Amino acid sequence: DIQLTQSPSFLSASVGDRVTITCRASQGISSYLAWYQQKPGKAPKLLIYAASTLQSGVPSRFSGSGSGTEFTLTISSLQPEDFATYYCQQLNSYLPKWTFGQGTKVEIK
Amino acid sequence: QLQLQESGPGLVKPSETLSLTCTVSGGSISSSSYYWGWIRQPPGKGLEWIGSIYYSGSTYYNPSLKSRVTISVDTSKNQFSLKLSSVTAADTAVYYCARQDWFDPWGQGTLVTVSS
Repeated sequence: DIQLTQSPSFLSASVGDRVTITCRASQGISSYLAWYQQKPGKAPKLLIYAASTLQSGVPSRFSGSGSGTEFTLTISSLQPEDFATYYCQQLNSYLPKWTFGQGTKVEIK
Repeated sequence: QLQLQESGPGLVKPSETLSLTCTVSGGSISSSSYYWGWIRQPPGKGLEWIGSIYYSGSTYYNPSLKSRVTISVDTSKNQFSLKLSSVTAADTAVYYCARQDWFDPWGQGTLVTVSS
């Protein structure tokens, strides 16, 4: 199985801060990685796919990078509406074909 | 605009079978090369992929649940369905359906509680 490990699991930050979340895969997954944002009581929302492609309608302060086993999600200037939990997700040819990281909760400092 | 909506019982007894349906609107489930999947999230925990189906009927299941999961598709109704057998309290979760390979869009989710 390919495992995804996110760090940190919890992050406290202020409005305007630059925030970086890391997702490490236990095996190389090329660029088959996505990032999601989830707010309490809501379904996750796709932010970035193929490691660095911004989903339509997502603010440009969100960006993704990486390939192989290490990936990052960066929020360039944290906004009040960005306080949420973020998940990475990988796609691969082997089972389980789709897996998620354990999540990173971003809270207000 | 594509929309997905989960439906089914909110309460299931232990050892019974959980059954949910996802209705797709705003597009045809068989008109494009997407998988359609189920994901769950236990209260206060992270996301777990359950399984996925292609409109032709080919499926992938999470190995950890494979022995208990069946996913089927009904293209005439533009729906796909999940059955999870022999449920226990550990299967209590919000169940989501979504279009794949990148999960988008998602249904709003439905809470299923396993309790007698």
